[in-house]
Amino acid sequence: AQSVTQLGSHVSVSEGALVLLRCNYSSSVPPYLFWYVQYPNQGLQLLLKYTSAATLVKGINGFEAEFKKSETSFHLTKPSAHMSDAAEYFCAVSGVNTGFQKLVFGTGTRLLVSP
Amino acid sequence: KAGVTQTPRYLIKTRGQQVTLSCSPISGHRSVSWYQQTPGQGLQFLFEYFSETQRNKGNFPGRFSGRQFSNSRSEMNVSTLELGDSALYLCASSFRTGSTEAFFGQGTRLTVV
Repeated sequence: AQSVTQLGSHVSVSEGALVLLRCNYSSSVPPYLFWYVQYPNQGLQLLLKYTSAATLVKGINGFEAEFKKSETSFHLTKPSAHMSDAAEYFCAVSGVNTGFQKLVFGTGTRLLVSP
Repeated sequence: KAGVTQTPRYLIKTRGQQVTLSCSPISGHRSVSWYQQTPGQGLQFLFEYFSETQRNKGNFPGRFSGRQFSNSRSEMNVSTLELGDSALYLCASSFRTGSTEAFFGQGTRLTVV
C-alpha cells in the first residue's frame, strides 16, 4: 500500500529563515507526490506536484521540493519564511495501485513562523 | 473560472439524523472525490465519482454514500449520524484523464450533537 510519513507535527522557524518540511513515501510503483497547504477553516491548496518528470519541482509562493528515489523522500523547502506561510502542510501520494484520483495524505505538519 | 463550491459551509445535526452535502466541481471537471478530515484520523479518502459512477471507495461504513449527476455535481449522504462523524468534509475535482491535479473546495464543517 502507498503511504507517506511526515516527520514533525510542528515546525517553528523565524521569519526569513529556511523552511524544511519532511516527507517520506512508501510505494512499490512510481508514485505521484503532492504538497498541499491548508489555512484555518479553508480547504487544501496545491503547492506543487511530482509526476515523474523533473525531480526538482517548483511550486507557488516560492516553495520547491526534490524527489529523491534513493531516499524515498519528497521534502518541501522555501529559502526564506514569511509570516503568511504559517499554515498546515500535507504531503500526499497517489499511484496506479490505489487509483490516481485517490490521494493518501500524511498526518500534516503545522508551520509556525515567528517575527 | 469558479472554483469547487461546497454547500453548506457549516452544519449542525443531531445523532441519528441524516445529512446531505453538495459539491459543484470546476467547470469541465468530471471527477469528484470526497475526503473526511478529523483531528484524530487526519485526511481520509471516502470515494470518487466519474461519469456518474463510483470508481473508488475508501474504508468507511455503508452509512456513507454518494452520487454524481450528469452535470458532474456530486452529493454525499451520511445516514444515522454518530458523534464521530463530526468532521470537515472536503470535495475535490479534477479532469481525471491526463492531469491528476485535484482542486479542493473549502469544505463543509459538520458537527453532530
